[in-house]
Amino acid sequence: GAVVSQHPSRVICKSGTSVKIECRSLDFQATTMFWYRQFPKKSLMLMATSNEGSKATYEQGVEKDKFLINHASLTLSTLTVTSAHPEDSSFYICSAQLRGGTDTQYFGPGTRLTVL
Amino acid sequence: KQEVTQIPAALSVPEGENLVLNCSFTDSAIYNLQWFRQDPGKGLTSLLLIQSSQREQTSGRLNASLDKSSGRSTLYIAASQPGDSATYLCAVEGDSNYQLIWGAGTKLIIKP
Repeated sequence: GAVVSQHPSRVICKSGTSVKIECRSLDFQATTMFWYRQFPKKSLMLMATSNEGSKATYEQGVEKDKFLINHASLTLSTLTVTSAHPEDSSFYICSAQLRGGTDTQYFGPGTRLTVL
Repeated sequence: KQEVTQIPAALSVPEGENLVLNCSFTDSAIYNLQWFRQDPGKGLTSLLLIQSSQREQTSGRLNASLDKSSGRSTLYIAASQPGDSATYLCAVEGDSNYQLIWGAGTKLIIKP
């Protein structure tokens, strides 16, 4: 089956630093990848949609200069949280949509970010 | 290694029926279990979250149960409506690594 990985699984960083999270589709090509953020009490927010080779489309209220998304290849998208602050602490989940397939999204295991 | 299975993979029922979606997991050492809804071409919506110490959660017409010892959860949808048509995903969060393990989903179609 389609597998999506995220790296790292957990990261703790100091306030003001930048953190990069990778999302990889391991056995398929993904034209589109999605980034989500899960808040306390588990409500999930779609942050942005990224298509390979083009700029990401950010949802309203998501700062594109704060959350940099790069989708450089059909198997890799990265989310960089720049100048992280404690309020950025969250669980970040990515998903990938199979190239040439249906609308099915395959989800990664998530990355737990803690900013001190 | 945790594995999450959802049965059935697809389900089509007439409007108004009550229905049950199933989710099973192989390792009972979970932190919580969540049910999500995914609409075609759109993002994910969190429906219900059940902590490992809980047995069920309710939200409107939705009721999710958890039997950790048997590795099962069910999502009960009462009085189904066409707007309930979507793919329903369950995911368990491990109590040691806190990562999500996803089921493959059940595609639900409610016929008017």
